[in-house]
Amino acid sequence: GENVEQHPSTLSVQEGDSAVIKCTYSDSASNYFPWYKQELGKRPQLIIDIRSNVGEKKDQRIAVTLNKTAKHFSLHITETQPEDSAVYFCAVQGRYSSASKIIFGSGTRLSIRP
Amino acid sequence: ETGVTQTPRHLVMGMTNKKSLKCEQHLGHNAMYWYKQSAKKPLELMFVYNFKEQTENNSVPSRFSPECPNSSHLFLHLHTLQPEDSALYLCASSQVITSGGHEQFFGPGTRLTVL
Repeated sequence: GENVEQHPSTLSVQEGDSAVIKCTYSDSASNYFPWYKQELGKRPQLIIDIRSNVGEKKDQRIAVTLNKTAKHFSLHITETQPEDSAVYFCAVQGRYSSASKIIFGSGTRLSIRP
Repeated sequence: ETGVTQTPRHLVMGMTNKKSLKCEQHLGHNAMYWYKQSAKKPLELMFVYNFKEQTENNSVPSRFSPECPNSSHLFLHLHTLQPEDSALYLCASSQVITSGGHEQFFGPGTRLTVL
């Protein structure tokens, strides 16, 4: 079955610097790669996603890159701000419409130092 | 109420109790999910319902029993739980589409403590 690995598990960066979180997956049939942000005491929320027919997607300070050959994708946050502090989860989903194929990574706790 | 709601928000129960968690989605979605969130496994999928039919049971012990009476409501019935079942239980919904992946909308969760 699908296996998703997420690194690092914790990340601390200076405010204004960039943060990068990486996920690798095993099933080459996977075609949807979302990223969720979970602030302390709150529910996970989608911040950006990418599909397998696209190599990069950007939304203001957030970008996701996908390397299908190497089976990894990364979240990039530029000009980090205190409100970026949260736990970030990557996820992988297959080409089938069934929701059962979604697998989440183990999460990265991002802390922004003032 | 909008989005995905869950009740109760907090629950403390003994190992011999029977309780139920409730989830309701107001988004018109056709799929609903139960997740367990703990320090050991941050987001562990438990059950999936598509169009009220259960499509996934991720080897969840029988002391957890889901029920989906319609596409807007999802229940998780609990009985004879163990202390290691203490966790945050998250409900989510999504609109399943034929072209594949789709955003999940999460509820606020129920914090469960088993004594």
